[in-house]
Amino acid sequence: AQSVDQPDAHVTLSEGASLELRCSYSYSAAPYLFWYVQYPGQSLQFLLKYITGDTVVKGTKGFEAEFRKSNSSFNLKKSPAHWSDSAKYFCALEGTQGGSAKLIFGEGTKLTVSS
Amino acid sequence: DPKIIQKPKYLVAVTGSEKILICEQYLGHNAMYWYRQSAKKPLEFMFSYSYQKLMDNQTASSRFQPQSSKKNHLDLQITALKPDDSATYFCASSQDWGAGAETLYFGSGTRLTVL
Repeated sequence: AQSVDQPDAHVTLSEGASLELRCSYSYSAAPYLFWYVQYPGQSLQFLLKYITGDTVVKGTKGFEAEFRKSNSSFNLKKSPAHWSDSAKYFCALEGTQGGSAKLIFGEGTKLTVSS
Repeated sequence: DPKIIQKPKYLVAVTGSEKILICEQYLGHNAMYWYRQSAKKPLEFMFSYSYQKLMDNQTASSRFQPQSSKKNHLDLQITALKPDDSATYFCASSQDWGAGAETLYFGSGTRLTVL
């Protein structure tokens, strides 16, 4: 079965600190992996995706994520964090076998960056 | 300006009634989708359309019927509404369907409450 786990429902840190949001997945092969962000009162916005190749992918707004096949993770990182990064972040998986854009989302991590 | 317009933003309905959720995208995309986010559940895929043709249906109930009158429209008709249908329904689009790892663009959602 395919699944995505974001173990931290809430993360709080101070502006200037490094942020890392955790995401692990379950899939029988190498999936496509995504991060989306939802700012308060706004719709989900694409941040970055992993398809194949380089295990570190860079996205918009200074974010990057590292794909680690060894422990089935795709953690989102940014340094330093800014107060404007406060939002809810969603990790998602798309299976590479059939069904385009049929994303499986995690529950999301609400990030609060205090200034 | 929002490129994916969902109407209405909020919707309250009584059990047993029927509602239509509207979605229009102005991104020139060829594929459109519906996702649902229920309370305490992650976003879940419902339907995908490509060039007005249904490509994928992950919704078990026939009470949910997508309707595409134009390539940039994908409405969602829900009949015989139940309280369990209460959720935020997100429309999304992508440039194409089928290649895999498509970047999705989301609307701001319609929050449906069924009493």
